[in-house]
Amino acid sequence: AQSVAQPEDQVNVAEGNPLTVKCTYSVSGNPYLFWYVQYPNRGLQFLLKYITGDNLVKGSYGFEAEFNKSQTSFHLKKPSALVSDSALYFCAVTLRGSARQLTFGSGTQLTVLP
Amino acid sequence: DTAVSQTPKYLVTQMGNDKSIKCEQNLGHDTMYWYKQDSKKFLKIMFSYNNKELIINETVPNRFSPKSPDKAHLNLHINSLELGDSAVYFCASSQELSLGYTFGSGTRLTVV
Repeated sequence: AQSVAQPEDQVNVAEGNPLTVKCTYSVSGNPYLFWYVQYPNRGLQFLLKYITGDNLVKGSYGFEAEFNKSQTSFHLKKPSALVSDSALYFCAVTLRGSARQLTFGSGTQLTVLP
Repeated sequence: DTAVSQTPKYLVTQMGNDKSIKCEQNLGHDTMYWYKQDSKKFLKIMFSYNNKELIINETVPNRFSPKSPDKAHLNLHINSLELGDSAVYFCASSQELSLGYTFGSGTRLTVV
């Protein structure tokens, strides 16, 4: 079985400050990990992924995420938040090699305050 | 040129009606999915087809029936609609899971 936990329903941060959106996962093997963003009344858009290799992955719009195998985490980060980053963020996991689907976390609403 | 397109974008209908949502992808992907996003924004997989073959069929009422006439299309038919079916339904496609999904923009279904 594979699962994802996003422990924070809501994250508020001031514009210009660094942001972190947390994600932990559980799979019985090596994971593929993803972050997606959903703007109001829109579909989910791909931000970044970890497949293998460097634990720090960089994605769209200045976002990055760090894969930590010992802590089974894949937190999303950005050094300086923008008001336009305000959206719903989803972490997703799948088991490398044998899974048939992505499993999504419950989502974290990020609000960047001007 | 939209990669994954769903129609309609909004659907308001009465309880007991039958409705369909259509999905088409022009990415050449082999696998397509239907997800339901409830009022709390939780995403739950419903079905998946790989090259017209059903490969995932989660615990979903049998009023929901997917149909894939070819690998570029995956439609969702819902019989006898209930209030609890109100949600946003997302179609997605994938060539392989290491590349993730491409999502459609969603269909907001409201049952009144």
